[in-house]
Amino acid sequence: GAVVSQHPSWVICKSGTSVKIECRSLDFQATTMFWYRQFPKQSLMLMATSNEGSKATYEQGVEKDKFLINHASLTLSTLTVTSAHPEDSSFYICSAIGGQGRTEAFFGQGTRLTVV
Amino acid sequence: GDSVTQMEGPVTLSEEAFLTINCTYTATGYPSLFWYVQYPGEGLQLLLKATKADDKGSNKGFEATYRKETTSFHLEKGSVQVSDSAVYFCALTPDYNQGGKLIFGQGTELSVKP
Repeated sequence: GAVVSQHPSWVICKSGTSVKIECRSLDFQATTMFWYRQFPKQSLMLMATSNEGSKATYEQGVEKDKFLINHASLTLSTLTVTSAHPEDSSFYICSAIGGQGRTEAFFGQGTRLTVV
Repeated sequence: GDSVTQMEGPVTLSEEAFLTINCTYTATGYPSLFWYVQYPGEGLQLLLKATKADDKGSNKGFEATYRKETTSFHLEKGSVQVSDSAVYFCALTPDYNQGGKLIFGQGTELSVKP
């Protein structure tokens, strides 16, 4: 299957700082990328959908000014957690789909964010 | 809204035991159903899928049948191996043409002992 790489795998940051997480499709062009958040022992919750070259579509309840998503190229989407607080600590996962007629999503390995 | 409910884990089995992980869903339309697996330290991988009622998805000895009458998509395997130890997620997408936009269950951790 196709490969999606997330970076970093884990990050610790101070409260009030911003953190950027990258999601790259390594061997295909990702027309659409998705960002999920997972709390311990809970399911993945879709945060937003991003299409290359256009603004992301956020799910209800997700603060678009706090979670900035950029999908500037067909192989890279970034999620920036701005002015992070301890309650933003979570596991963030991206997925990507792409190519004519492809509907299977491929997932990155996730990023563990801890805000102290 | 649409939702997915899985049986809680962790599930601990001995090697060669029979596995069932229950999954039920609520959806307003005609969803496609998926099982994903997450091995330790790795991203989610698609295990199997079914796109319409009565379809059976199968892969690596795992099977699940799309049951519209009971709104279920239970995962089964006749004989588990230690290498099957992972977290399993049931998921749906409301529209097959939006396969990337998934609604997940909470995940079920499976531990298989030798």
